[in-house]
Amino acid sequence: GAVVSQHPSRVICKSGTSVKIECRSLDFQATTMFWYRQFPKKSLMLMATSNEGSKATYEQGVEKDKFLINHASLTLSTLTVTSAHPEDSSFYICSARQGWSFNQPQHFGDGTRLSIL
Amino acid sequence: GENVEQHPSTLSVQEGDSAVIKCTYSDSASNYFPWYKQELGKRPQLIIDIRSNVGEKKDQRIAVTLNKTAKHFSLHITETQPEDSAVYFCAAKDNYGQNFVFGPGTRLSVLP
Repeated sequence: GAVVSQHPSRVICKSGTSVKIECRSLDFQATTMFWYRQFPKKSLMLMATSNEGSKATYEQGVEKDKFLINHASLTLSTLTVTSAHPEDSSFYICSARQGWSFNQPQHFGDGTRLSIL
Repeated sequence: GENVEQHPSTLSVQEGDSAVIKCTYSDSASNYFPWYKQELGKRPQLIIDIRSNVGEKKDQRIAVTLNKTAKHFSLHITETQPEDSAVYFCAAKDNYGQNFVFGPGTRLSVLP
């Protein structure tokens, strides 16, 4: 149980393109999903917390107009990197919290490796 | 806010030996501490977690200990195997926040 699917796994595109990444909880409802960015050999950096039916909460330094988050249902959150540039190249991982309690583990998707040329 | 430190950053052990990774946290209100294992290019996977009302938890070759007074918790892997090689992340969370704060990670290499 507690499977999180993230798609696509890899994206290579030209500078200026917008890229949408989907995160789905397959066998549970996720009121809260999280989006992380991970640089090579580094830890997980939280970008934003996505709550179903409301606006995402962004971490300090993360541009909300560049990283658009939509959490329209209890099983799907999307991250759109708008007008992507080479510096946006990174590994993006989503996670979903199972259950309503804050003290439940997060389950991660497989990640999306974004490469902007 | 919460700050999580993790040591060592890299750890090499011989197959069959034990490995110990330690984390400290700053927020005394933190009460949930998961450990994640991430293999290269793959998702972090929850391997064990502990809540503040217990001091130790075991699951086969993996155990986690928690010292609330000292604000540190440790991951113990016994009888290590090559497939244990990965990056391990600790995390801490309090009752009021939704988010985990992750440690910087430990790269464990189990040598055959």
